[in-house]
Amino acid sequence: ETGVTQSPTHLIKTRGQQVTLRCSSQSGHNTVSWYQQALGQGPQFIFQYYREEENGRGNFPPRFSGLQFPNYSSELNVNALELDDSALYLCASSLGGDGYTFGSGTRLTVV
Amino acid sequence: AQRVTQPEKLLSVFKGAPVELKCNYSYSGSPELFWYVQYSRQRLQLLLRHISRESIKGFTADLNKGETSFHLKKPFAQEEDSAMYYCARRSYNTDKLIFGTGTRLQVFP
Repeated sequence: ETGVTQSPTHLIKTRGQQVTLRCSSQSGHNTVSWYQQALGQGPQFIFQYYREEENGRGNFPPRFSGLQFPNYSSELNVNALELDDSALYLCASSLGGDGYTFGSGTRLTVV
Repeated sequence: AQRVTQPEKLLSVFKGAPVELKCNYSYSGSPELFWYVQYSRQRLQLLLRHISRESIKGFTADLNKGETSFHLKKPFAQEEDSAMYYCARRSYNTDKLIFGTGTRLQVFP
């Protein structure tokens, strides 16, 4: 049984650029959630995908968007990057929203 | 608003001492509460959830609805317990988790 894998582990982008982060869910899990963890803070919910549809969204602007694919993997896209977008982005998968398994995260730095 | 509050950023104890990591939540019906732990250079992982009422690695947490608290306790801390601990609740109207800001536990030898 494989866990949740995220790629890349680190990346640096310039303000105004766009970024795509990827997540492979744990085998058997059909729900993927994305969280943003700023330095010194707890994870903040961005959105959740269930069966390829967005199923709940946190207080993040529309420039944060996502996708879920038929194999339940997922992407997080952020357009028009701002300095405050610098954070650790966590992906968590679950079976129908029960028992989340987290990935190691992608550390995004916006300069 | 649904909130989870962890008042301590850092808790330092010596090995063998009792530990209590505090967590309070904003009231709304019957919350589902969790403790997650993140050891150094490892991913966030579930430590325990209140509905299972189990003890993991010697840790327990009791839901106190009167005080809206879900404090994490361990009678005798071990050095390997040093980690970042996050209290979280499931949102009452979605499946999302709402996390506290976390408490770093340092256990000295």
